[in-house]
Amino acid sequence: GNSVTQMEGPVTLSEEAFLTINCTYTATGYPSLFWYVQYPGEGLQLLLKATKADDKGSNKGFEATYRKETTSFHLEKGSVQVSDSAVYFCALSDKKEGAQKLVFGQGTRLTINP
Amino acid sequence: DTAVSQTPKYLVTQMGNDKSIKCEQNLGHDTMYWYKQDSKKFLKIMFSYNNKELIINETVPNRFSPKSPDKAHLNLHINSLELGDSAVYFCASSPGGVNNSPLHFGNGTRLTVT
Repeated sequence: GNSVTQMEGPVTLSEEAFLTINCTYTATGYPSLFWYVQYPGEGLQLLLKATKADDKGSNKGFEATYRKETTSFHLEKGSVQVSDSAVYFCALSDKKEGAQKLVFGQGTRLTINP
Repeated sequence: DTAVSQTPKYLVTQMGNDKSIKCEQNLGHDTMYWYKQDSKKFLKIMFSYNNKELIINETVPNRFSPKSPDKAHLNLHINSLELGDSAVYFCASSPGGVNNSPLHFGNGTRLTVT
């Protein structure tokens, strides 16, 4: 079946550091790929998405590129802020008529120190 | 004006009890979901309804029964609660029918079974 593997956490960085969170996937066909973010005590929010190979999703300074050849969707940000501290989830969309079945990675907890 | 709202936010109960979690969305979406997040933050889909019809039913014990009285509501009833049911349960919704539409999540219900 389809699956997503994320870089193990937790990740701790200083403010303004460069961030990479690795994500690779296994899927039949060409799923859409997503990054969701979960702030403490809240539900998940969509951060960015890409729907086909070579698409780049971007939002709030975060970027990820859909790489079919390496089956990857790594999340990057050039200069992180304390407010970026959260848990980040990579996910793919498994097609199902009438619904979107998201398959999530295990999540990566990110802590940014001032 | 919360988009996806769940109640209660916290639920503490004893083994063997029966409990319900309610979810409502005011986004006009056709599809609603229940996800379970375990203590290691791993998220897994449990159920999905599209226009009150069950379309995703993952390997979940029969003690869990979703009910959708209308497309804006999806409740989760759990019979004979067990220790292993302790988790955070997230409700979500999406427009449905399109596999790259983001899911909108509620803030979760933390269930603790003692």
